[in-house]
Amino acid sequence: DAMVIQNPRYQVTQFGKPVTLSCSQTLNHNVMYWYQQKSSQAPKLLFHYYDKDFNNEADTPDNFQSRRPNTSFCFLDIRSPGLGDAAMYLCATSRGGDYGYTFGSGTRLTVV
Amino acid sequence: TQLLEQSPQFLSIQEGENLTVYCNSSSVFSSLQWYRQEPGEGPVLLVTVVTGGEVKKLKRLTFQFGDARKDSSLHITAAQPGDTGLYLCAGAVWDDYKLSFGAGTTVTVRA
Repeated sequence: DAMVIQNPRYQVTQFGKPVTLSCSQTLNHNVMYWYQQKSSQAPKLLFHYYDKDFNNEADTPDNFQSRRPNTSFCFLDIRSPGLGDAAMYLCATSRGGDYGYTFGSGTRLTVV
Repeated sequence: TQLLEQSPQFLSIQEGENLTVYCNSSSVFSSLQWYRQEPGEGPVLLVTVVTGGEVKKLKRLTFQFGDARKDSSLHITAAQPGDTGLYLCAGAVWDDYKLSFGAGTTVTVRA
């Protein structure tokens, strides 16, 4: 089945230690998104790619970076995680807003 | 992004009861989508409504898009414990790849 896969499902990292979360898709969608979600709140968009074009949200901290080496893969790098970065990180793909998003199962990040 | 207001924020009902969740905005959308998210999982798309006044039914779930394309509702008939989750509405605007999400409604159906 075509899908969006995030790895790992759970990640524990130390305060200040860089961490990378990964996302892969078999849907061949042009657009990939990274969201941060805390405590049953709405997902908050961090950035998105249309093909290789990177689009950063104005309020996304510089601590968060992303890479999309090809259509299938996208990575979220957190350079120096703080306690406030503990959250569920969701990857999603789309052909465009009206077509809806396909989300991965998320990565639950814990910062100790 | 456009603001979408969902109400209520929390809803707890007994199995077999009906419920309605509302999603309102002052902005016009090309489509509105509803997602359900279970604890520890990503949101799953339930439906997309694209025509003003459109009504879509998915088993016990009924979705409506307002005539002016600014609001939507989700109605669940005879709710079951399996309907428990966070319901998110999201609006799309023509030629924009980003969705605007509402704050979500946490629905708990007690057996």
